[in-house]
Amino acid sequence: DAKTTQPPSMDCAEGRAANLPCNHSTISGNEYVYWYRQIHSQGPQYIIHGLKNNETNEMASLIITEDRKSSTLILPHATLRDTAVYYCIVLDRGSTLGRLYFGRGTQLTVWP
Amino acid sequence: DAGITQSPRYKITETGRQVTLMCHQTWSHSYMFWYRQDLGHGLRLIYYSAAADITDKGEVPDGYVVSRSKTENFPLTLESATRSQTSVYFCATSNRASGSRRSYNEQFFGPGTRLTVL
Repeated sequence: DAKTTQPPSMDCAEGRAANLPCNHSTISGNEYVYWYRQIHSQGPQYIIHGLKNNETNEMASLIITEDRKSSTLILPHATLRDTAVYYCIVLDRGSTLGRLYFGRGTQLTVWP
Repeated sequence: DAGITQSPRYKITETGRQVTLMCHQTWSHSYMFWYRQDLGHGLRLIYYSAAADITDKGEVPDGYVVSRSKTENFPLTLESATRSQTSVYFCATSNRASGSRRSYNEQFFGPGTRLTVL
């Protein structure tokens, strides 16, 4: 049960910002929003996570709406190497395991 | 720094054969996971382990066996392979014991093993 909804595909021009949306309308107060990506034929890679405040790291920014029912992952200057499937995952940080439920994700294609 | 490795990377076997996929990590992470990835299903958790000698079932454990006698190794065995087990298998680790905010639920994935059962 992925608990999230993402568009199946998006594209973006190289050098432009890629904004990937995620809907998680049933998110609870203890659940974080995590983003992973999977480049073709490789294992998934962690990008960023957040609870309710916006977050930024060296890879991306995460904007979470005030009601926490949706979020947007922003890749500020997309490159061809950012072409991948991006997964939005909600996760109870207090759970025993912290299992990741991967849905279908969004296939982002960055074109030159 | 090898990190997490999986072997073999590619394997072709026949129905009914026993197959073992290996996963090895050099970080001493406490948690290890096995996922399978199939078209149309995304990644699904097969088994996981919280520490040496502690394992538990995930979403799709039937037909698989795991063991974890040492922290660094987490082999996955298909006791009698079936065609439906043709898939890409990913091993992952997590260091939830570290206490750092980022590492709490960050999982590190291996390169995968592509298994074909004929």
